[in-house]
Amino acid sequence: DGGITQSPKYLFRKEGQNVTLSCEQNLNHDAMYWYRQDPGQGLRLIYYSQIVNDFQKGDIAEGYSVSREKKESFPLTVTSAQKNPTAFYLCASSTLGQVNTGELFFGEGSRLTVL
Amino acid sequence: AQSVTQLGSHVSVSEGALVLLRCNYSSSVPPYLFWYVQYPNQGLQLLLKYTSAATLVKGINGFEAEFKKSETSFHLTKPSAHMSDAAEYFCALYTGGFKTIFGAGTRLFVKA
Repeated sequence: DGGITQSPKYLFRKEGQNVTLSCEQNLNHDAMYWYRQDPGQGLRLIYYSQIVNDFQKGDIAEGYSVSREKKESFPLTVTSAQKNPTAFYLCASSTLGQVNTGELFFGEGSRLTVL
Repeated sequence: AQSVTQLGSHVSVSEGALVLLRCNYSSSVPPYLFWYVQYPNQGLQLLLKYTSAATLVKGINGFEAEFKKSETSFHLTKPSAHMSDAAEYFCALYTGGFKTIFGAGTRLFVKA
């Protein structure tokens, strides 16, 4: 089955540590996204990428970094510079071009807790 | 500026009762509108979408939504709630590019 796989599902981190969240898709989608979800705030865009080796900042990119070395993969690193990293992180993908209606396909999410 | 407002952060209904979750949007261009559902500690799943075809859109699990341009609304309904409908629901707006705007979400509780 095609879909998006995020790992790990749960992650605990000590303050000052960087952590990397994995996101892999086999939908052959060009665009990939990272969202942060906090209670009562909906989803906020961290980074997005429309093509390999290219990515753009979203609304809350500070303290995060990404890479897109392969079409299928879009890992997110939460750095020690992120002041409040405890959150639920969602990876998503979509098509591009004329067939794109904006529909997003989501992974199961990764819950990061900073101790 | 584009925006999405979901009225009510929590909605509680009895099993078998009508479900109505409200969504209003603001957009300067014709919008694509979506409803997504999220179960605890899971990702979002698409319930239904409006992409400028029929204004009454039917989705999965018996849900439907009606696009009303004059009211800038896209409310989600289901005639009869089931316990399995308890979840958080997000209305979302897409107007092109790479930016989707999400509402803050409405948590639906279903009482037995």
